[in-house]
Amino acid sequence: AQKITQTQPGMFVQEKEAVTLDCTYDTSDPSYGLFWYKQPSSGEMIFLIYQGSYDQQNATEGRYSLNFQKARKSANLVISASQLGDSAMYFCAMREASFGAGSYQLTFGKGTKLSVIP
Amino acid sequence: EAQVTQNPRYLITVTGKKLTVTCSQNMNHEYMSWYRQDPGLGLRQIYYSMNVEVTDKGDVPEGYKVSRKEKRNFPLILESPSPNQTSLYFCASRTAGGLNTEAFFGQGTRLTVV
Repeated sequence: AQKITQTQPGMFVQEKEAVTLDCTYDTSDPSYGLFWYKQPSSGEMIFLIYQGSYDQQNATEGRYSLNFQKARKSANLVISASQLGDSAMYFCAMREASFGAGSYQLTFGKGTKLSVIP
Repeated sequence: EAQVTQNPRYLITVTGKKLTVTCSQNMNHEYMSWYRQDPGLGLRQIYYSMNVEVTDKGDVPEGYKVSRKEKRNFPLILESPSPNQTSLYFCASRTAGGLNTEAFFGQGTRLTVV
């Protein structure tokens, strides 16, 4: 089974609107961390936001927030007030604490391509 | 400036011709990793290193070698490249902290094997 599932291969959003990118994960480890990365067309990987499994509050970083629903094993990224520069590939990733090599590895989803329409 | 530097950024080579992609970080990070990115598959870990002289296989190690003789460098070696190794490669590093330590990625190396 896939550890990280991103079900939306592509998304469109109107400029200035909010958009939610879905991410569900699968782990039996009680301690884990969830990350979102942005990859613009230039190719680099840009860290956006982090959520720990024991964090009580949803993470926020500027226009990015993470809708963390632990019981449903989902960690959706919400981008508010979309900008043209938000057009990119977005990856959800997980790091597990206690599964051997898992703590040294980020397991990535397949990504969602977001296009912001003027 | 804190960074992870990969070279080359682009490489076209022929099947069977040995090549090395270099990776260097200036943040004194203990952990370093190599990933490959393929369309529709996301990023998959090839090898990782916990510290100097300590390396281990990731999810897709076949056809690759690594070494970690110095803390700052973690080269990826393809002894006999094949077309199925055509991919976008990323080197990443982070401190040996907790789960929340951010992984810093290099700019990527786009490799084409013909």
